[in-house]
Amino acid sequence: QKEVEQNSGPLSVPEGAIASLNCTYSDRVSQSFFWYRQYSGKSPELIMSIYSNGDKEDGRFTAQLNKASQYVSLLIRDSQPSDSATYLCAVKPTGRRALTFGSGTRLQVQP
Amino acid sequence: DAGVIQSPRHEVTEMGQEVTLRCKPISGHDYLFWYRQTMMRGLELLIYFNNNVPIDDSGMPEDRFSAKMPNASFSTLKIQPSEPRDSAVYFCASSTRENSRELFFGEGSRLTVL
Repeated sequence: QKEVEQNSGPLSVPEGAIASLNCTYSDRVSQSFFWYRQYSGKSPELIMSIYSNGDKEDGRFTAQLNKASQYVSLLIRDSQPSDSATYLCAVKPTGRRALTFGSGTRLQVQP
Repeated sequence: DAGVIQSPRHEVTEMGQEVTLRCKPISGHDYLFWYRQTMMRGLELLIYFNNNVPIDDSGMPEDRFSAKMPNASFSTLKIQPSEPRDSAVYFCASSTRENSRELFFGEGSRLTVL
């Protein structure tokens, strides 16, 4: 079992719709969770972090965490073509400084 | 502020050759990470340093790979001899002790081994 799992996609949504990206992780005691966005040919950049159960909102982005289900999600409201990218879920395993990344979900927002 | 700087951005080499990738972390950052990204395996941690000391090298695939950090502003990842399966994008990232949760990535070094 991979430590962090994501559906590779592509996930295709029309402009203006809500995009929902999902991630599951295996280390039950992980405390820190992140979403990175990576445009084609570019490096990952942090867009959201979440540490407690529930929702965290930042602009059009909402991260959701359910530790009991070991599940993290990212919602993007009013999706724009500029949101088209690969979204990487990352988890900070217990006792480690380095992040473990999922393989990423490619999002395509259709104009 | 300058971000994480990596060189070269692109490297094409032949199997068996030595490859050296370089990284300059953000000034003041205590942690430096080397990741490798491929389509098949995604973004994998190779090694990370804290205050120039290697902490976890369990992701280094084999003895052909080595990494050093001789000072706080410079790190190298060396592959000797290189093989076609080493073809990937190699990212260097850095972070601070106070905010070790956010990684700042360099632009990556795209390696092609023929």
